[in-house]
Amino acid sequence: GAVVSQHPSWVICKSGTSVKIECRSLDFQATTMFWYRQFPKQSLMLMATSNEGSKATYEQGVEKDKFLINHASLTLSTLTVTSAHPEDSSFYICSARDQVGPDYEQYFGPGTRLTVT
Amino acid sequence: GQNIDQPTEMTATEGAIVQINCTYQTSGFNGLFWYQQHAGEAPTFLSYNVLDGLEEKGRFSSFLSRSKGYSYLLLKELQMKDSASYLCAVTDSNYQLIWGAGTKLIIKP
Repeated sequence: GAVVSQHPSWVICKSGTSVKIECRSLDFQATTMFWYRQFPKQSLMLMATSNEGSKATYEQGVEKDKFLINHASLTLSTLTVTSAHPEDSSFYICSARDQVGPDYEQYFGPGTRLTVT
Repeated sequence: GQNIDQPTEMTATEGAIVQINCTYQTSGFNGLFWYQQHAGEAPTFLSYNVLDGLEEKGRFSSFLSRSKGYSYLLLKELQMKDSASYLCAVTDSNYQLIWGAGTKLIIKP
């Protein structure tokens, strides 16, 4: 089956620093990847849709200058949280859509837990 | 607006059957998903319905009625490991996933 990896699985950083999270599709090509954020006891919140070779589409209320997304290849998308603050502490999950599969198929990465101190 | 409703929390007994309901109002419809999510982990795919009717997959079944904007996830022979959150999500006309808040299922011995 399709596998999506995320790195790192968890990270602790100091307030004001930047953190990069990688999302890779390991055995398929993904023209579209999605970045979600999930706070404790809440559902997934879509942050942005990332298409290979083009700018990401951000959801309303998500600061594009703070959450930088780069989808440079068909197997890799990165999310950089710039100038992180404690309120950015959350569980960040990516998913990827198979380039050749049905439009509905999305495969989720294992998530990255970010703690900003 | 787009809206998906499901109960916040349900409790059931090991070995029993539980039905988790989901109602939706979205701009277009291209399928409904059920995901299972254990605490601290990413969601895992359970089922996908795009046509009306019941889809059975082992102990789990999912039902869809497009005319009523309604789905349910049926879990049989409940096991303790089934304690998790169950997320209902609908793909709208733009193939974007609209997520419900999730139903936390607590299984008691």
